[in-house]
Amino acid sequence: LAKTTQPISMDSYEGQEVNITCSHNNIATNDYITWYQQFPSQGPRFIIQGYKTKVTNEVASLFIPADRKSSTLSLPRVSLSDTAVYYCLVGDGGAGSYQLTFGKGTKLSVIP
Amino acid sequence: DTAVSQTPKYLVTQMGNDKSIKCEQNLGHDTMYWYKQDSKKFLKIMFSYNNKELIINETVPNRFSPKSPDKAHLNLHINSLELGDSAVYFCASSQLAESSYEQYFGPGTRLTVT
Repeated sequence: LAKTTQPISMDSYEGQEVNITCSHNNIATNDYITWYQQFPSQGPRFIIQGYKTKVTNEVASLFIPADRKSSTLSLPRVSLSDTAVYYCLVGDGGAGSYQLTFGKGTKLSVIP
Repeated sequence: DTAVSQTPKYLVTQMGNDKSIKCEQNLGHDTMYWYKQDSKKFLKIMFSYNNKELIINETVPNRFSPKSPDKAHLNLHINSLELGDSAVYFCASSQLAESSYEQYFGPGTRLTVT
């Protein structure tokens, strides 16, 4: 599984767009990039997954450059309720590779 | 309609005891998991299991054992509890055939060993 590196923490004001970048220099051809969100005292929650270019859903966008060595999770207009830890994971989502390896994550603090 | 549920939410017990944590999912998924999150908030896989295969993380002591009575349940049994077992344990599930990286987590069970 490719190792990921992301900032330990970030602060943002309410209403701003937040971009969290994750580095994964050793990403393999079959690897997907997945982001999870974890609120205090709750289990992680799947946010978004992508392979290349850009993916958008109702919660976030995921930008992946052509070389796929990094990815950026974009949260539009954050609110206080977006304060959480965000995890970037990289791996082959195929059969036999379903054991998620969580890193330290990025603790996002949204300030009023 | 809770997708993945765990009981109990809190568990306080003494060293040396044997305890179980139950997990149920109503998503129809075919694969379930147990994770441990320690005091430093590192989340580590312990087991992944479907009706065909049990994969055990090699760092998990054999005092821990998953037991699956059916596809919707994966319980975690812990024998001879130790202080270092204190952590939050999360159960999760996924539909392996579709996207194994999209896992649904339960609310967690906070285990405190005294």
